[in-house]
This record gives sequence, structure tokens and C-alpha cells, in this order.
Amino acid sequence: KNQVEQSPQSLIILEGKNCTLQCNYTVSPFSNLRWYKQDTGRGPVSLTIMTFSENTKSNGRYTATLDADTKQSSLHITASQLSDSASYICVVRGAGGSYIPTFGRGTSLIVHP
Amino acid sequence: EPEVTQTPSHQVTQMGQEVILRCVPISNHLYFYWYRQILGQKVEFLVSFYNNEISEKSEIFDDQFSVERPDGSNFTLKIRSTKLEDSAMYFCASSGTRGDEQFFGPGTRLTVL
Repeated sequence: KNQVEQSPQSLIILEGKNCTLQCNYTVSPFSNLRWYKQDTGRGPVSLTIMTFSENTKSNGRYTATLDADTKQSSLHITASQLSDSASYICVVRGAGGSYIPTFGRGTSLIVHP
Repeated sequence: EPEVTQTPSHQVTQMGQEVILRCVPISNHLYFYWYRQILGQKVEFLVSFYNNEISEKSEIFDDQFSVERPDGSNFTLKIRSTKLEDSAMYFCASSGTRGDEQFFGPGTRLTVL
């Protein structure tokens, strides 16, 4: 069964600090992996997309990595801001006939001043 | 910037009642989706819709659920006889092509009493 596991479940950091969120998946065959940011009470917004051949991709202060061999991804947030407080969700899509994505439970990040 | 909109933002209904959740996808998108997120849990795929028919659906999307694109702009999710466990946030999403990024709406919070 396709699964996406994220850690930590929640994280509290001080403004200005860096943090790294983890995602492990069992989806196979693999097509792509997206990191989403979901503000409370809002829909998810895509931050990055990683395909099989990509190891690192940046979007401003967000940098995602992918190791397709170990089926792991990380999202690194640099110089955190209060507005980074949100849930960060890892979503993996498999290749083949189905385009149904598999969502992780998300990491709840709280940035304190 | 084009965005997905959903109405209402919050719907309260009695168990056994029918509800219709409405979505206006991004205008030039061709693929439409419904997801749900029970409070504190991960986002779950319900159904995808293309060319006026269901492309894929999950086990959650049983006979109580139906989707429709009644006109050129709206995309609706109907729950025929709501149950307590249908209480959740329902997100609509749309994409240009099947594998493209999905843009999510702000969600409708459904509360079944």
C-alpha cells in the first residue's frame, strides 16, 4: 500500500532559525513529489515539485531534496519567518495508470518571535 | 491571479440531509478534484473529473457522493444523506492537465450534527 510518512509531527522554532522537515514514502513506481504549505483553514499551496531525476530544488527560502533510491525527501526552510507557521505536507504521485496522489499527515511548524 | 473558489465557506447540516458543495475551478483548467480533510487528519482524495465524467475515485467516494459540472464554470460535490463522519473540510482543486500542479480552493467546512 502506498504510504507517505512525515516527521516530525510538529516543530517549534524561533524566528530566524532554520529547520528541516522529513518525508519518507513507499509509493512505487514513483512519478513526482510535491511539498505543500497549508495555512490554517486554507487549501494547500504547492512549494516545490521533485521528479525522479532531481536531487535539489529551491524556491526562495525553501529547498527540497529528493533521494529516489532511499525514497526520502526533505524540506529545508532558511531564516524562518512568522509567516512560515503552517502545516507542510509531502504529497507523492505514482507513475502508471493512476494519478491519485498520496498525502502525508504533514508537519505542523510554529515559528515564535 | 486566477484562483479556485468554493462556497459556502462553512456549512452546517443535520444528519441525513443532502448537501451540495460548490466550486469554481480556474477557468482554463480541464481536470477537477475533490478532497476531504477530517480535523487533525491528512488530506484524502475523493474523486477526479474530466470531460464530464469521473476519471478516478477512492473508496471513500461511495454511492452517497456524486459530482457534477452543471455549467461551464461550476463543479459540485453532492452528499445525498450526510452522516456524522462526513464532517470535514472539503477542498476542490483544478489542474490544466492530468499531471499538472493542482490548485486548491480555500475549502468548505462541513459540520454534520
